[in-house]
Amino acid sequence: AQTVTQSQPEMSVQEAETVTLSCTYDTSESDYYLFWYKQPPSRQMILVIRQEAYKQQNATENRFSVNFQKAAKSFSLKISDSQLGDAAMYFCAYRNGSSNTGKLIFGQGTTLQVKP
Amino acid sequence: GAVVSQHPSRVICKSGTSVKIECRSLDFQATTMFWYRQFPKKSLMLMATSNEGSKATYEQGVEKDKFLINHASLTLSTLTVTSAHPEDSSFYICSAGNTGRSYEQYFGPGTRLTVT
Repeated sequence: AQTVTQSQPEMSVQEAETVTLSCTYDTSESDYYLFWYKQPPSRQMILVIRQEAYKQQNATENRFSVNFQKAAKSFSLKISDSQLGDAAMYFCAYRNGSSNTGKLIFGQGTTLQVKP
Repeated sequence: GAVVSQHPSRVICKSGTSVKIECRSLDFQATTMFWYRQFPKKSLMLMATSNEGSKATYEQGVEKDKFLINHASLTLSTLTVTSAHPEDSSFYICSAGNTGRSYEQYFGPGTRLTVT
């Protein structure tokens, strides 16, 4: 069975600084997707970034980028120039590419605090 | 982007009564909907996957007779918590997706259920 692990329950960063959130996963599949979701205090889940396993290039979305290490099964999220609005709970998630259901497997989450 | 709504956003019910939560995809047809439960500062726990026109697939440990899921149309799924008890109090989130390789999941804003 696939698993996703986020080993950092809480992280903090100074405004305008850079922070990296860690995520590791376990799977025997070769075709899959990885995601980072943000859940602010409103509790609305927001997709931050997505990575297809077959792509070697790391995904980027403005200030958000990932370091995808397929062999190490690692998928970290880097937030550059952190802003107060980045404060939220962040979830790493996995989806099997061949799955008809598209079920997501979530990590435990990391609460990010941004200090002014 | 795709929009998913949930109604109600908050509900308080008495122990022993049933409560229904609606999940609607507003601008796309959702072939699959997912229902999650989330405890404070915890990850999302998948309860069940429902495909339009067929019976829901429940995750291990989720009582299908207690959490009734109906996905009667491509834009509406409902979760009914039957004979609710205080331990059913939680935050319930739905998400909706479509078939296809990208299989993005779009999340509703969630429903806070309090059983007194």
